[in-house]
Amino acid sequence: QVQLVESGGGVVQPGRSLRLSCAASGFTFRNYGMHWVRQAPGKGLEWVAVIWYDGSNKYYADSVKGRFTISRDNSKNTLYLQMNSLRAEDTAVYYCARDRAARGIDSWGQGTLVTVSS
Amino acid sequence: SYVLTQPPSVSVAPGQTARITCGGNNIGSKSVNWYQQKPGQAPVLVVYDDSDRPSGIPERFSGSNSGYTATLTISRVEAGDEADYYCQVWDSSGDHPLVFGTGTKVTVL
Repeated sequence: QVQLVESGGGVVQPGRSLRLSCAASGFTFRNYGMHWVRQAPGKGLEWVAVIWYDGSNKYYADSVKGRFTISRDNSKNTLYLQMNSLRAEDTAVYYCARDRAARGIDSWGQGTLVTVSS
Repeated sequence: SYVLTQPPSVSVAPGQTARITCGGNNIGSKSVNWYQQKPGQAPVLVVYDDSDRPSGIPERFSGSNSGYTATLTISRVEAGDEADYYCQVWDSSGDHPLVFGTGTKVTVL
């Protein structure tokens, strides 16, 4: 079965960096676009970034553009999110998720919590 | 960027029908997906491509989309349907391809 497992979350000071990872299994990872979606405490879902199946295209939400970088290693079945210059407002649970275009985002990880605080 | 607007909350008695709207500019021309999220859990896709259901999702969940409004309908509501619901579209017109709605809390009375 499809499994997505995020890791790398934790408490970090404002201005510092963190890298999240998402290990994929149970499907052919290299065939799917992948997203990072976050949810601040008590708030709604916020799309963060998407990467095409082959890494050829990447798009970002305005709130993270220039600070976050999405990448993938298809040989390791792993998705990444490099987060730099972190701010308090980046505090959230970060989910990785598999995209199936018109069929929606059909698989989500359990999420990893990032807390930005001094 | 594209904006999707949902009512903050919907209340419904068990056995009745809940309708959750998602408003957006000419949303009828887009494919809409719906997600259910229960507290402490990841979202779950309940309707995709306006009105299709993933395997394992009860027929009680249905969707429609026309004009400026998409709607998720939950028939014969059960206590277990109490959750937050989000609509979502792909917006190919700009640099922000994925958009989520503001979310609706469904309360079962």
